[in-house]
Amino acid sequence: ETGVTQSPTHLIKTRGQQVTLRCSSQSGHNTVSWYQQALGQGPQFIFQYYREEENGRGNFPPRFSGLQFPNYSSELNVNALELDDSALYLCASSAGQGYTDTQYFGPGTRLTVL
Amino acid sequence: EDKVVQSPLSLVVHEGDTVTLNCSYEVTNFRSLLWYKQEKKAPTFLFMLTSSGIEKKSGRLSSILDKKELFSILNITATQTGDSAIYLCAVDYTHTGTASKLTFGTGTRLQVTL
Repeated sequence: ETGVTQSPTHLIKTRGQQVTLRCSSQSGHNTVSWYQQALGQGPQFIFQYYREEENGRGNFPPRFSGLQFPNYSSELNVNALELDDSALYLCASSAGQGYTDTQYFGPGTRLTVL
Repeated sequence: EDKVVQSPLSLVVHEGDTVTLNCSYEVTNFRSLLWYKQEKKAPTFLFMLTSSGIEKKSGRLSSILDKKELFSILNITATQTGDSAIYLCAVDYTHTGTASKLTFGTGTRLQVTL
């Protein structure tokens, strides 16, 4: 186990609703990255938070937003949910610097949008 | 656009066989290549490769990187049913000294049968 935790495990929402997913990073890690993994695909980078600031964003619309707290835990918020947002949402934590920086993943939140 | 391509997409082998999984990449800035194993939800870290020609080994798994030809292979010898999983290849495209960001391939689904 990596020490990265996510909640909730599963979630069912309807189109147009809003959702908040949570991630606690591994002890000693100050960076959290969020990924969306659709069925049969590899994870796609949504954004990253480093020391409470957004530190890069993938190709996702502004209705995907996030936060990082002083204890380095993080939230992913998605507004105006669409059917295509149904996916496994993974967060990964890392130490955030150095020659090599390995990301360790949490168990994910499975979001279903009806 | 950064790209990571894995092959084959899917593979079925018998227990005891040896398998080779492939990963090729095109990224604007290469820092490292990582292999993960995904069984149910959380991708589990296997290897990080940064230098060409140096094999990394862990039990029956090994991996090597060729930075000139832009590819990596993951070998699994004497496969067991517990090796059945999706194997993900990812490339870290950030600069050394900063938090890593990953581009993933679609994965290779390996099924090991008795």
